[in-house]
Amino acid sequence: GQSLEQPSEVTAVEGAIVQINCTYQTSGFYGLSWYQQHDGGAPTFLSYNALDGLEETGRFSSFLSRSDSYGYLLLQELQMKDSASYFCAVRSYQTGANNLFFGTGTRLTVIP
Amino acid sequence: NAGVTQTPKFQVLKTGQSMTLQCAQDMNHEYMSWYRQDPGMGLRLIHYSVGAGITDQGEVPNGYNVSRSTTEDFPLRLLSAAPSQTSVYFCASRRTSGHSTDTQYFGPGTRLTVL
Repeated sequence: GQSLEQPSEVTAVEGAIVQINCTYQTSGFYGLSWYQQHDGGAPTFLSYNALDGLEETGRFSSFLSRSDSYGYLLLQELQMKDSASYFCAVRSYQTGANNLFFGTGTRLTVIP
Repeated sequence: NAGVTQTPKFQVLKTGQSMTLQCAQDMNHEYMSWYRQDPGMGLRLIHYSVGAGITDQGEVPNGYNVSRSTTEDFPLRLLSAAPSQTSVYFCASRRTSGHSTDTQYFGPGTRLTVL
């Protein structure tokens, strides 16, 4: 099966940089995705890494290392509105439909 | 485009009652799925479909049925509600070929309480 582990909570100061880690165990997957979810809202897509390395999208960057079974989401210039839960996810080879499996999520709290 | 829509937004049921959660998407996505979200457990896949007439089970299918008669609609039916089914339910869709097949679009969710 699949297993994706994330820290349950992270707190950071407004304007700072924070890294949210994701370590995974899966026999094969297409890439690592990240989703953001505000309280009471729906998950929304943030970033995707098909290949090893860093992908940058504005203030957000995501990194993947398949050899280390590890990825992270980097948020720069933190804003109060970045307070949310962040989920890593993999689309696995293991099922016929390549379903998307999610980690348990990291709740980020940005403080003034 | 409305994206993925879900109804109702909130629902309270009594144990043993049945109901259907509605989901529709207007992006012509082949793949649709249902997740439930419980505190500390992330999103768990209930059922999914790769096209009209094709459905299959996810991680936690017990107590739920689905059907896919059209590309647009993917309703989730609770057969006999139990308190353990109290959760937030999300419907999602994505493409299965071409670009952005890892971008999954979620509906706003249905918050279900079973008493």
